[in-house]
Amino acid sequence: VQLVESGGGLIQPGRSLTLSCTASGFTFANYSLSWVRQCPGQGLEWLGFVRATPSGGTTEYAASVKGRFTVSRDDSRNIAYLQMNSLRIDDTGVYYCTSATGDWGQGTLVSVSS
Amino acid sequence: DIVVTQSPDSLSVSLGETATINCKSSQSVLFASDNKHYLAWYQKKPGQPPKMLFYWASTRESGVPDRFSGSGSGTDFTLTISSLQAEDVAVYYCQQYRRAPFAFGPGTRLDIK
Repeated sequence: VQLVESGGGLIQPGRSLTLSCTASGFTFANYSLSWVRQCPGQGLEWLGFVRATPSGGTTEYAASVKGRFTVSRDDSRNIAYLQMNSLRIDDTGVYYCTSATGDWGQGTLVSVSS
Repeated sequence: DIVVTQSPDSLSVSLGETATINCKSSQSVLFASDNKHYLAWYQKKPGQPPKMLFYWASTRESGVPDRFSGSGSGTDFTLTISSLQAEDVAVYYCQQYRRAPFAFGPGTRLDIK
């Protein structure tokens, strides 16, 4: 199993950014995918997930990002996405995707700064 | 929402001794239909992604040394690390996945005394 995040970088406050998580080594559609972040000096924060497609592919979010962040999946490409809108300075951190297989990506750094 | 707490915030343990970390959820994480506790433990080292240690509260992930053990039920869970080794220095997190949002505990920092 391999999960590879991409799309991170430096972005100005108020802008939008979409992260991708490309998966391999398992039947992607059959597993839920979560996004988790770690902001500098902080602990792990669960952001949201998309259920496995056989379970409806529905989404749930942490209250801290609900309405600003959107998780989605493209089973045809084995990719999960995290769309982040209205980014704030305190959204700076390392963003991880993790699957229900228990595997994690290496993370991608998002820096929100003017 | 289910709130997850951990204790202690940090602890220092001598090499070869035992470390005990506690995790408490504000509601039971037991799912009656399968009689499983939806709680996981992770080890986090700087610059590395979290590593799953246990799922279903006490099922050891493949490759995790058996000096690590997970236990507990209902709302109270424990991670025990016996014969502590230098490589065990890390922050340890528990997470409930019984009901979204799947909150993590605040973490427990473990170092060597």
